[in-house]
Amino acid sequence: AQKVTQAQTEISVVEKEDVTLDCVYETRDTTYYLFWYKQPPSGELVFLIRRNSFDEQNEISGRYSWNFQKSTSSFNFTITASQVVDSAVYFCALSEARDDYKLSFGAGTTVTVRA
Amino acid sequence: GAGVSQSPRYKVAKRGQDVALRCDPISGHVSLFWYQQALGQGPEFLTYFQNEAQLDKSGLPSDRFFAERPEGSVSTLKIQRTQQEDSAVYLCASSLILDGTYMNTEAFFGQGTRLTVV
Repeated sequence: AQKVTQAQTEISVVEKEDVTLDCVYETRDTTYYLFWYKQPPSGELVFLIRRNSFDEQNEISGRYSWNFQKSTSSFNFTITASQVVDSAVYFCALSEARDDYKLSFGAGTTVTVRA
Repeated sequence: GAGVSQSPRYKVAKRGQDVALRCDPISGHVSLFWYQQALGQGPEFLTYFQNEAQLDKSGLPSDRFFAERPEGSVSTLKIQRTQQEDSAVYLCASSLILDGTYMNTEAFFGQGTRLTVV
């Protein structure tokens, strides 16, 4: 069963627009970790954030912000005032306490920011 | 370099050929992971090493896939008798364990090896 669902396949915005990427996860564990990674055209996955299941505080880092809601099993990611350099594939991932070294990724959302 | 290095970046193999993909993790990183990423999909876990010990190989799709890390640093993923369905990007990642306990620290990924089986 798919543990992480990213329903949006592609999003296209004009520079300076905000963009929100949805992530819904599924787990039976009470302790788990959620991640967002960015994959630019060069191919490597760049770590953006890790959040554990006990910390529901929203987080802001520069133009990036994350909204974690356990009640809806969602961990959404917003890019504010998008820039062309934000164009990439973004992946949400989950790891569970029983084997916390293993990341289960969603299918990814391709973000294209047009100048 | 400071990052995870993978070679070759691209590999074209004829069906039935054996291939070996190399990963140089970040120096000092204890944990090493291999993931397989099919076109348009998210990466899928293949296997996990802690130093030279392969602690989890549950994600390897068949017995044609074999991974090793004999000295606890460089790792090789070998695929025997390649099939077309093996075509994918193979990503390697490494991370640091602190105090002997896996603390789910950030995993650093390489750029991957794109394998195309023709």
